[in-house]
Amino acid sequence: GIQVEQSPPDLILQEGANSTLRCNFSDSVNNLQWFHQNPWGQLINLFYIPSGTKQNGRLSATTVATERYSLLYISSSQTTDSGVYFCAVEGPGNTGKLIFGQGTTLQVKP
Amino acid sequence: EPEVTQTPSHQVTQMGQEVILRCVPISNHLYFYWYRQILGQKVEFLVSFYNNEISEKSEIFDDQFSVERPDGSNFTLKIRSTKLEDSAMYFCASSDVTAYNEQFFGPGTRLTVL
Repeated sequence: GIQVEQSPPDLILQEGANSTLRCNFSDSVNNLQWFHQNPWGQLINLFYIPSGTKQNGRLSATTVATERYSLLYISSSQTTDSGVYFCAVEGPGNTGKLIFGQGTTLQVKP
Repeated sequence: EPEVTQTPSHQVTQMGQEVILRCVPISNHLYFYWYRQILGQKVEFLVSFYNNEISEKSEIFDDQFSVERPDGSNFTLKIRSTKLEDSAMYFCASSDVTAYNEQFFGPGTRLTVL
């Protein structure tokens, strides 16, 4: 099945710093989503981005489907950005099955 | 803004008991999913459901598990004869008409099996 790898596994930043999180996947995808899991365990949708570039405030994402990777950019990080960031992809098959990466744990220090 | 809801938020049960986790998907969504996350691990797909039948299930989703849409709004996951290793956060998700659309997740039910 499709493999999803995220890097780095852990990231520590000072408040105000920028960061880039990467998601590599092993096959063509029909869907790619980025989530933020907050300290309460909730999965918050950040982007639905099977291809192209999107921006939402301080966050933006780019997926290059032909090269099988996606990037999540966080600018001017805040302590509330702390948590785990997951990339999830849906491969061929039309069943909606999302395969999650292992996540990047981000800690933003004040 | 419409959202997926789940009840209960936390359930504690004894090993061997049956539990039912409940979800109310977003009202105009037709695709429904269950995922689980063992503490400290990644989120894993369990099952997808469309048109009152299972579309796909993972190898985790064995005879111990079943799903049902008992009415027009609820979507349930039943776990029979719970084991210690069933302790996890269980997430329900739903998506729009086509399966490739964005999935929206509920807040999760944390299941603890003692």
